[in-house]
Amino acid sequence: DTEVTQTPKHLVMGMTNKKSLKCEQHMGHRAMYWYKQKAKKPPELMFVYSYEKLSINESVPSRFSPECPNSSLLNLHLHALQPEDSALYLCASSHRTSSRDTQYFGPGTRLTVL
Amino acid sequence: GENVEQHPSTLSVQEGDSAVIKCTYSDSASNYFPWYKQELGKRPQLIIDIRSNVGEKKDQRIAVTLNKTAKHFSLHITETQPEDSAVYFCAASTAGGSYIPTFGRGTSLIVHP
Repeated sequence: DTEVTQTPKHLVMGMTNKKSLKCEQHMGHRAMYWYKQKAKKPPELMFVYSYEKLSINESVPSRFSPECPNSSLLNLHLHALQPEDSALYLCASSHRTSSRDTQYFGPGTRLTVL
Repeated sequence: GENVEQHPSTLSVQEGDSAVIKCTYSDSASNYFPWYKQELGKRPQLIIDIRSNVGEKKDQRIAVTLNKTAKHFSLHITETQPEDSAVYFCAASTAGGSYIPTFGRGTSLIVHP
């Protein structure tokens, strides 16, 4: 399996809802990432997990809560989001956290916050 | 930290023409330079990459060149086709510092049939 998968593809939620995004890879990668992307802009890093431990949090608001249950899975728990959080949320993985390791992106979850 | 500038922001060409997208970076320690293609509504996909010990790399109609002295790298697409239309992002990763790639702002390539 050479892909990163994400579910759901689309998500619409109200500001009081709690939802979760899921990411999975079976390439044996030990680094996983969450990015946020607005239309026609580059991906913005949110979180990095290395060997299932959170290694980078780019000052993301606490209404976003990441979780890495095992080396193949990455979740992003969402609570009390704002309309400006509407975006494409991309998961990525790489072999390790090295500058020379390619990141492979999942298809993303298109999130709309009403 | 690393800063990556990408030009142009929009590039419009006729089918069959060549397209060139240029990026400059600020940190001389950067050693890995991937290029991603993102079609509308889809994921960024790696199309080619180059490492700092190589000056040029080709894959069919796509080539990337790297000038470490000048700190710039370029994507060249020859014989463009309508399916090449997408947003292209360059990126740079720095050894010894943050290994997270810094992305350029993107180039919207439009290939007219």
